[in-house]
Amino acid sequence: AQKVTQAQTEISVVEKEDVTLDCVYETRDTTYYLFWYKQPPSGELVFLIRRNSFDEQNEISGRYSWNFQKSTSSFNFTITASQVVDSAVYFCALSEARGSTLGRLYFGRGTQLTVWP
Amino acid sequence: EAGVTQSPTHLIKTRGQQATLRCSPISGHTSVYWYQQALGLGLQFLLWYDEGEERNRGNFPPRFSGRQFPNYSSELNVNALELEDSALYLCASSLGTVSYEQYFGPGTRLTVT
Repeated sequence: AQKVTQAQTEISVVEKEDVTLDCVYETRDTTYYLFWYKQPPSGELVFLIRRNSFDEQNEISGRYSWNFQKSTSSFNFTITASQVVDSAVYFCALSEARGSTLGRLYFGRGTQLTVWP
Repeated sequence: EAGVTQSPTHLIKTRGQQATLRCSPISGHTSVYWYQQALGLGLQFLLWYDEGEERNRGNFPPRFSGRQFPNYSSELNVNALELEDSALYLCASSLGTVSYEQYFGPGTRLTVT
């Protein structure tokens, strides 16, 4: 079965702190894709990153970095030197490459990140 | 480049009525997806259209239906509205299928009274 777990419901940090958002996934497919999205209070989901299951290389984009580990089925997201504008709900999602679940994104429940000034 | 657009922004209906939500994808995108984000239920996949055809649907009753037009825009219809249909309905589009990221619109907030 496909499942994405974001165990942290809410995280609060003070500006300039580093914060890591955890994501654990389950899938039987050998080819799959993992995503992170940001949902600010406006409601629109903003795409942040996509990784495929064959590429475990970690990625850094500015203050954002992602750590993908197939051995632990995790795809964690770290924000370095957090800012107030980072406050949002962050969703991890999974997409499988074949079968009856084609096209679907399976989302975790999201982590509400609040960054205080 | 314009992003995914959705209309209306807000929609208020009474139980038993029908609701129609509209979505225009990013130019060049052929796939359109619909998701429901209801309080306490998270983001759930509703429907996927590609090249005018319904390719997949989530675990929703048949009163949730839709279509995709030749210009790739899409409509989501919800018949016989129930109170629990109140949610944010998000539309997304992608260049192709599966491996491509889905870009989301701002959503339509449907309230059923």
